[in-house]
Amino acid sequence: SQQGEEDPQALSIQEGENATMNCSYKTSINNLQWYRQNSGRGLVHLILIRSNEREKHSGRLRVTLDTSKKSSSLLITASRAADTASYFCATPTRGDYKLSFGAGTTVTVRA
Amino acid sequence: DAMVIQNPRYQVTQFGKPVTLSCSQTLNHNVMYWYQQKSSQAPKLLFHYYDKDFNNEADTPDNFQSRRPNTSFCFLDIRSPGLGDAAMYLCATSRDRDRGNNEQFFGPGTRLTVL
Repeated sequence: SQQGEEDPQALSIQEGENATMNCSYKTSINNLQWYRQNSGRGLVHLILIRSNEREKHSGRLRVTLDTSKKSSSLLITASRAADTASYFCATPTRGDYKLSFGAGTTVTVRA
Repeated sequence: DAMVIQNPRYQVTQFGKPVTLSCSQTLNHNVMYWYQQKSSQAPKLLFHYYDKDFNNEADTPDNFQSRRPNTSFCFLDIRSPGLGDAAMYLCATSRDRDRGNNEQFFGPGTRLTVL
């Protein structure tokens, strides 16, 4: 069953603006991951944040994790047309090493 | 570059005609996964191999089978494809069964059409 859920389902922004999406999950985790999927392609790992971390940065990406609220957010700063994609959060299933993916947030960056 | 390769990228089959999708990896990872992803949905894990040890998900239909003849290759067999099996099939790998470091590496996917 799905562990994480992203919000919003879809997001449309102007190039240069920031995009923020959220992920909520149900059970305790030891890490949470974000992936990107361009249309018709496989998923690409973006960032992994561990349960003892509150914030992590990678280039224009900023991820936060609030384990008390069982939620995470992904911020893309200064968006570009190439950021147009679906973004998925993934969490381990029942403490296992396998991942459960949310349904994703579709981000469209308008030029 | 180390990577996960899937062939073919697009597969068309007829209702009920067996089809095999293939995945290979040059990462030398121990774990290989097969996911099914339908339009605008989350990838759904079908099964995975840890080395030669096959692990099926409880809700994966018997129509789906898998083989892993060696570390590098893994196959997904659909014995009698139905219209509902039309989807993107994603192969992924992870280094090991490390719960704290279980990043997955995906192939580009195979888009299956069932006529």
